[in-house]
Amino acid sequence: EDQVTQSPEALRLQEGESSSLNCSYTVSGLRGLFWYRQDPGKGPEFLFTLYSAGEEKEKERLKATLTKKESFLHITAPKPEDSATYLCAVLPPGYALNFGKGTSLLVTP
Amino acid sequence: EAGVTQFPSHSVIEKGQTVTLRCDPISGHDNLYWYRRVMGKEIKFLLHFVKESKQDESGMPNNRFLAERTGGTYSTLKVQPAELEDSGVYFCASSSSIRVGEKLFFGSGTQLSVL
Repeated sequence: EDQVTQSPEALRLQEGESSSLNCSYTVSGLRGLFWYRQDPGKGPEFLFTLYSAGEEKEKERLKATLTKKESFLHITAPKPEDSATYLCAVLPPGYALNFGKGTSLLVTP
Repeated sequence: EAGVTQFPSHSVIEKGQTVTLRCDPISGHDNLYWYRRVMGKEIKFLLHFVKESKQDESGMPNNRFLAERTGGTYSTLKVQPAELEDSGVYFCASSSSIRVGEKLFFGSGTQLSVL
């Protein structure tokens, strides 16, 4: 059975304090791994898609990497506006995303 | 350009009642998805429309749930009769293609509370 596990569940950082979020997955026939950001009261907002081990993508202070078993979302010098829940999702064969429970990130000034 | 819109944003009903959720996708998006997040759990897939046809409804919990997409535009998700375990946030998402990696645009969700 496909599984997506995100850690930590919650993370509190000081502004400027870099860190990484982890997404471990077990899936047969991975077609893509996605990162989404979700703000309170909103739906998930797309950040990245990664397709194969070794791939990396960057957007502003965020960098996503992928291995055969896990993905990391690195946050460099975060700002308070980066506070949100970060969701990882895998796409097995088919069109249904399998989400993890997310990591709730709080960045304090 | 308008995003994915969902109505209502909140709904509180009693067990046994019927509720209909509506989703208006981004104009021109043929692909429409319903997902649900139950408290404390991850977001789970319910079903996928391509235009007005159900492509995959493997995530629908049981026959109390009925989804329609008349004319390939907006979609409704009806729960009848509602049970306590149906409470959660129902998200709708749309995309212009089913190409792998095509990003989904999500609505803000409908918070359903069944009492």
